[in-house]
Amino acid sequence: DVVMTQSPLSLPVTLGQPASISCRSSQSLVYSDGNTYLNWFQQRPGQSPRRLIYKVSNRDSGVPDRFSGSGSGTDFTLKISRVEAEDVGVYYCMQDTHWPRTFGQGTKLQIK
Amino acid sequence: EVQLLESGGDWEQPGGSLRLSCVASGFTFKNFAMNWVRQAPGKGLEWVSFISDSGHWASYADSVEGRFSISRDNSKNTLYLQMNSLRGEDTAVYFCARNGALDHWGQGTLVTVSS
Repeated sequence: DVVMTQSPLSLPVTLGQPASISCRSSQSLVYSDGNTYLNWFQQRPGQSPRRLIYKVSNRDSGVPDRFSGSGSGTDFTLKISRVEAEDVGVYYCMQDTHWPRTFGQGTKLQIK
Repeated sequence: EVQLLESGGDWEQPGGSLRLSCVASGFTFKNFAMNWVRQAPGKGLEWVSFISDSGHWASYADSVEGRFSISRDNSKNTLYLQMNSLRGEDTAVYFCARNGALDHWGQGTLVTVSS
């Protein structure tokens, strides 16, 4: 199975400051069609997960542009340019290149 | 608006069975693959199972292979998860999610396995 490793697991951030979460995979996530199927999800307290980013860097509809995804191969990053109070929650990366699908452990973002 | 509504979660004894349902609306259900994902209390997300849009192909996590069965009824816009031989470690909120990349999620249904 592809192991997804996120860091840090806890991320205290001051409002208005940037934040960055790393996600590394144990195998390349480049599929045979040339696409890289790496997604990012946000789970606010008490809510269902919501997808933010798909195929490394594509923002879902309604996702603020302060969220951005980047990376390639086995090394990926989610960045928030200026953290707002509504960004508190747990962030997960997930790969859907290989079977079984696998998630990272989650990164808990909180306000300092 | 895409909506996914899970139901069927309950308390069950180890070794028992449950069937979860997920009713979809707001999109053409038969055109989309579907997934089940679970989250144990206070833990992270774990992918459980996938079914193709036609229902002809499915995949399972090793942890549920041989015990759980995913299916769908495209005429009823409904996804199912038949859960047999339940274990304590199956205790979780179970979410259904649309598409290979999980672009929309339901609110989840709680399954508790305990004696």
